[in-house]
Amino acid sequence: EAGVAQSPRYKIIEKRQSVAFWCNPISGHATLYWYQQILGQGPKLLIQFQNNGVVDDSQLPKDRFSAERLKGVDSTLKIQPAKLEDSAVYLCASSPQTGVSYEQYFGPGTRLTVT
Amino acid sequence: GENVEQHPSTLSVQEGDSAVIKCTYSDSASNYFPWYKQELGKGPQLIIDIRSNVGEKKDQRIAVTLNKTAKHFSLHITETQPEDSAVYFCAASRTSGGYQKVTFGTGTKLQVIP
Repeated sequence: EAGVAQSPRYKIIEKRQSVAFWCNPISGHATLYWYQQILGQGPKLLIQFQNNGVVDDSQLPKDRFSAERLKGVDSTLKIQPAKLEDSAVYLCASSPQTGVSYEQYFGPGTRLTVT
Repeated sequence: GENVEQHPSTLSVQEGDSAVIKCTYSDSASNYFPWYKQELGKGPQLIIDIRSNVGEKKDQRIAVTLNKTAKHFSLHITETQPEDSAVYFCAASRTSGGYQKVTFGTGTKLQVIP
């Protein structure tokens, strides 16, 4: 089966600009996650969707970050305006969350550099 | 909320030796503990997991142990090989509102020296 797809793989922007990331999860996976991974740290959950509804966005900086999951499939994460501290790898993951398997399948990530 | 601590942050071992990575968690309701391996430029990949009703699980050279009373769990890699070199993350997860809420540790960079 195809894995989690993310684009772009790399993005360089100046502070105060906006940027958007796209994620296509594994087909049939109900749960989709966006993580921020700063160099040398573990993934930090930004937002979690169950189908097309948000179940956890407690760590999403809502004044500048937004995310949506269209029709319970693809998702986009947007940052507007970007700050220097937003430089990180943004990981998308999906999970079947069937009760049998809680495994998360990660995409390759988008490396964002804010200058 | 959940807090997951992971030690050590870096670990160097000779090829063939064993490696042990330890994690502690704070939320006694956590019921699922996965370990992920992240290679350079890639997303994390699950290598082994354990649920709270099990004390130990083994898969070839990899094993995980869980002590619920002490709230800690460990990853054991035996007969290490150069391809085991990567960053390893532990995580603790609990069921909340019908979904799993996951918190990751800070990672251990493992270097296996040939």
